[in-house]
Amino acid sequence: GEDVEQSLFLSVREGDSSVINCTYTDSSSTYLYWYKQEPGAGLQLLTYIFSNMDMKQDQRLTVLLNKKDKHLSLRIADTQTGDSAIYFCAERNPQRSASKIIFGSGTRLSIRP
Amino acid sequence: EAQVTQNPRYLITVTGKKLTVTCSQNMNHEYMSWYRQDPGLGLRQIYYSMNVEVTDKGDVPEGYKVSRKEKRNFPLILESPSPNQTSLYFCASSSGLEKLFFGSGTQLSVL
Repeated sequence: GEDVEQSLFLSVREGDSSVINCTYTDSSSTYLYWYKQEPGAGLQLLTYIFSNMDMKQDQRLTVLLNKKDKHLSLRIADTQTGDSAIYFCAERNPQRSASKIIFGSGTRLSIRP
Repeated sequence: EAQVTQNPRYLITVTGKKLTVTCSQNMNHEYMSWYRQDPGLGLRQIYYSMNVEVTDKGDVPEGYKVSRKEKRNFPLILESPSPNQTSLYFCASSSGLEKLFFGSGTQLSVL
């Protein structure tokens, strides 16, 4: 079946940029998402990108999509302690399934002072 | 305030004792879904519902039941819980799947 993969952990220094990577297997994925989960809370949508886009920027967040390599990344500029969370990559292909979003295992981002 | 409300937040139970986790949303969403989150495995879909009286299995439905009698409510039922159902459970809802709204989670421990 289709899959989404992420590394489990990332540690960065406060003020540096964080880059969280994700790969997916469905070459026809239409929507690619980044969700953020803070401690003790549910997931919240951070941003998403359509498959016909290469890049999307929203304040400190930059999403890059390489469709050829099926690779998605989330860059957080000037990482702050409030960015500590688990970040989930997810994808959806409405032609494969009208109802299904596939999530990766999540990357836990920790910030060093 | 638009939200998805799950109850309870924490639940400890024993093997075989039936339990229900409630989920309610106030956004008039057609789509609702249940996920479980386990370390290293991410979120796996248990059941989903596209509308009232329409439910379907996700990836890991064994041992779970759901119902969708009203648009706002989507309870998750464990008829005979077992220790391998110890997990963090999330309910989510959406109008068009572009954005899922998640509840705060229910941490279930089955002894």
